[in-house]
Amino acid sequence: AQKVTQAQTEISVVEKEDVTLDCVYETRDTTYYLFWYKQPPSGELVFLIRRNSFDEQNEISGRYSWNFQKSTSSFNFTITASQVVDSAVYFCALSNAAGNKLTFGGGTRVLVKP
Amino acid sequence: DAGITQSPRHKVTETGTPVTLRCHQTENHRYMYWYRQDPGHGLRLIHYSYGVKDTDKGEVSDGYSVSRSKTEDFLLTLESATSSQTSVYFCATKKDTWNTGELFFGEGSRLTVL
Repeated sequence: AQKVTQAQTEISVVEKEDVTLDCVYETRDTTYYLFWYKQPPSGELVFLIRRNSFDEQNEISGRYSWNFQKSTSSFNFTITASQVVDSAVYFCALSNAAGNKLTFGGGTRVLVKP
Repeated sequence: DAGITQSPRHKVTETGTPVTLRCHQTENHRYMYWYRQDPGHGLRLIHYSYGVKDTDKGEVSDGYSVSRSKTEDFLLTLESATSSQTSVYFCATKKDTWNTGELFFGEGSRLTVL
């Protein structure tokens, strides 16, 4: 069975601070995919990134960066110089090898105060 | 944007009544999913479909049934709604490429069972 744990339920920061969201996963598959989604206050889910299990390179996209470490089964997400618009719930998710089912973590609510 | 429309967007009903939520997509995606979102649980998979008349259970399928008679429509039915089914329900779709896993989500349907 697959499992995704986001231990932080809520993080509050002041604008321009960095914030790191933790994600730990469990799977028996050797091939799998990891995702991050953002859910702003409006409620829709927005895809941020996908990473396959064979690609451990870290990735940076603007103020967002992701750190994938298979040795610790973690896929952490950092927002650098946070902005009020980053306030949202962020979900980490894990897909099976076939890519046809996605298991979500419980989500981390990020509140960025001005 | 996969052109996903959920209806109704909001519904209040009473315990014991049947409820059907509809998901309609315009992109001819093969896979369709129903998730429920509850505080602390993230999104949990109820049922999914991998083609017309082909469906399978997710992790929280008890009390729910689904049907997919056309590629574009995926119905979620609560035969006899209970208060524990009060939730926000999200439909999602995925293109017919097995190794991507990226889901496109609808805007959600908020269901309240009194």
